[in-house]
Amino acid sequence: DADVTQTPRNRITKTGKRIMLECSQTKGHDRMYWYRQDPGLGLRLIYYSFDVKDINKGEISDGYSVSRQAQAKFSLSLESAIPNQTALYFCATSGAGSYEQYFGPGTRLTVT
Amino acid sequence: GEDVEQSLFLSVREGDSSVINCTYTDSSSTYLYWYKQEPGAGLQLLTYIFSNMDMKQDQRLTVLLNKKDKHLSLRIADTQTGDSAIYFCAERTGNTPLVFGKGTRLSVIA
Repeated sequence: DADVTQTPRNRITKTGKRIMLECSQTKGHDRMYWYRQDPGLGLRLIYYSFDVKDINKGEISDGYSVSRQAQAKFSLSLESAIPNQTALYFCATSGAGSYEQYFGPGTRLTVT
Repeated sequence: GEDVEQSLFLSVREGDSSVINCTYTDSSSTYLYWYKQEPGAGLQLLTYIFSNMDMKQDQRLTVLLNKKDKHLSLRIADTQTGDSAIYFCAERTGNTPLVFGKGTRLSVIA
C-alpha cells in the first residue's frame, strides 16, 4: 500500500464550485504539505502543517484553505474554484528531523 | 526569499552522460536535493547532499556542490531512455519546507 495517498486522483469541476482534495499518510509523520505544479513553473508551496495544531501559509495560499483533521490527514479546499487553479496538486509528508519529503501520486484538477 | 534556478530542457543521446545544473540563492541551505518525476507520476527522491559535502556518488548518479558559487549539478552516466523525466532541484534551510526549481525536462534520444 502507498504511504501517501491522495483522493481524488482526477477531478473536473466548474468555476465557482467548492472542492476538497484529501491526503492521508501512514508514515506517522508530523509534517504535511500541499504543493501545486504547473508546466514550466515547478512546484509551489500552498500550505504546510508541522503538527495538528499548526497551519502555515506558503508561497501561493490565496484562494485555498486547509484543514489538519488528524496527524495522518491534511485536506486542501478551494472555496470557489477558478480556471487558473487548474493544475496538478501534490501532498507531501516528512518527519521532524528527517531530510526527505515523501510525495503522494498527485491530483489532477481541471476547472472549466 | 530563496530562489532555485535550473534550465528547462536538456536533450542527450542514449549512452552519453547528462549533466543537469541548478543554482540557488540561500547561502544557509542545509540540504540540497534532486527529485525525478516520470510522466504521470509523483516525485521520487533521487539523491540529496548535505551542504558540508562537495560530492556524492550513487551508482550512475554523481552530485557536485560548489557552495561558493551556490551551484549544484547532477550527472547521470550512461544515460538510458528510462532516464527521460523531469528533474527537480530543491533546497532546504533548517526545518523549512523544500523550495523547488522549475524542473529540467531530460529527453534521451535512442
